[in-house]
Amino acid sequence: DAGVIQSPRHEVTEMGQEVTLRCKPISGHDYLFWYRQTMMRGLELLIYFNNNVPIDDSGMPEDRFSAKMPNASFSTLKIQPSEPRDSAVYFCASKDDSQPQHFGDGTRLSIL
Amino acid sequence: AQKITQTQPGMFVQEKEAVTLDCTYDTSDPSYGLFWYKQPSSGEMIFLIYQGSYDQQNATEGRYSLNFQKARKSANLVISASQLGDSAMYFCAMRELTGGGNKLTFGTGTQLKVEL
Repeated sequence: DAGVIQSPRHEVTEMGQEVTLRCKPISGHDYLFWYRQTMMRGLELLIYFNNNVPIDDSGMPEDRFSAKMPNASFSTLKIQPSEPRDSAVYFCASKDDSQPQHFGDGTRLSIL
Repeated sequence: AQKITQTQPGMFVQEKEAVTLDCTYDTSDPSYGLFWYKQPSSGEMIFLIYQGSYDQQNATEGRYSLNFQKARKSANLVISASQLGDSAMYFCAMRELTGGGNKLTFGTGTQLKVEL
């Protein structure tokens, strides 16, 4: 069974550009999570969805960040406009009720 | 207060030896879960082991075991017979029932280096 799939694996872009990160959860999982990992702040939960509905977005840093889950097999995390301090590794994870969270390989984002 | 504390930024162990990675947690929830994840240098996060707060026995998964001491609020990871491939960052995490029981709070991690 395929794991959580994230794209792109790496993204380098200039400050002010829009960035879109994509995630395909494991089939059948009804929870999806977006995390950010930095040296300074470690792993932080940004937002999570249950059955495609955002449940808790208290970790989203500011209005420049938005996340959507239009269907059970796809989610996006968008940053507009991007800033250098957004540089981090962004992870997507999914789970169902009885399972631990399974993570994707992450997107390494660099904002110049 | 930190919910998850990992006091060892770095650890060294010789191949084939056992190593214990420390994790203490803070919660007032009677129902919670504790997790360990491994992050190799390639960056992915790999689930290792889970312990529920009501589980009577310590969790084990192959060479991994969790030394759960509820009264001390500790959930240390024990890796037996260390292998070179165990060199990685290890994160302890907790899930509390409050807030729906789906959010994980992570510790700062312990970097483990296995030496020949």
